[in-house]
Amino acid sequence: DTVLTQSPALAVSPGERVSISCRASEGVNSYMHWYQQKPGQQPKLLIYKASNLASGVPARFSGSGSGTDFTLTIDPVEADDTATYFCQQSWNDPRTFGGGTKLELK
Amino acid sequence: EVQLVESGGGLVQPGRSLKLSCLASGFTFSNYGMNWIRQAPGKGLEWVASISSRSSYIYYADTVKGRFTISRDNAKNTLYLQMTSLRSEDTALYYCAREYYGYKGVMDAWGQGASVTVSS
Repeated sequence: DTVLTQSPALAVSPGERVSISCRASEGVNSYMHWYQQKPGQQPKLLIYKASNLASGVPARFSGSGSGTDFTLTIDPVEADDTATYFCQQSWNDPRTFGGGTKLELK
Repeated sequence: EVQLVESGGGLVQPGRSLKLSCLASGFTFSNYGMNWIRQAPGKGLEWVASISSRSSYIYYADTVKGRFTISRDNAKNTLYLQMTSLRSEDTALYYCAREYYGYKGVMDAWGQGASVTVSS
């Protein structure tokens, strides 16, 4: 299975720029997607196919990368962005998720 | 508005069965592939199974293969997950999710989840 590795947690101040990384154990082409999950809520699609903004998602969110290394960037970070962010690949079977990065605001 | 509403969760003993349902509304259900994804308490997300729009293609995670069955009834706008031989490690919140049309494996709408607890 394709293992996706994310750093477990980050802490940033509102107004700053934050980059959340996701490294795949093997190439996933551009089929890397990002989800936001706030406490007690279901996940929400933010970015699909590495860099495409999902409908209704603020332009503060952006994605980049290809192959095995991908990044979700939030600029500027707002208080409401406190959440866990998951990457997910769908190039290789089975579909797999990263362990999630918990973003906390200082 | 796209809505996915799961039901059928609960407390079940190890080895027993349970069937989850996911009622879809706000979109043409028969045009979309669907998925089940689960999240154990305090843990990350795990893809469980997927089914194409007309049930032609069905896939399972190795952890549930042979025990779980995904199915759908397009006339009833409903997705199902039949779970048998349940184990304690199947305890999780089970989400149904719509597959973004034309993009393999992108899940663009999620339900609120159905809680399954496997315990004696």
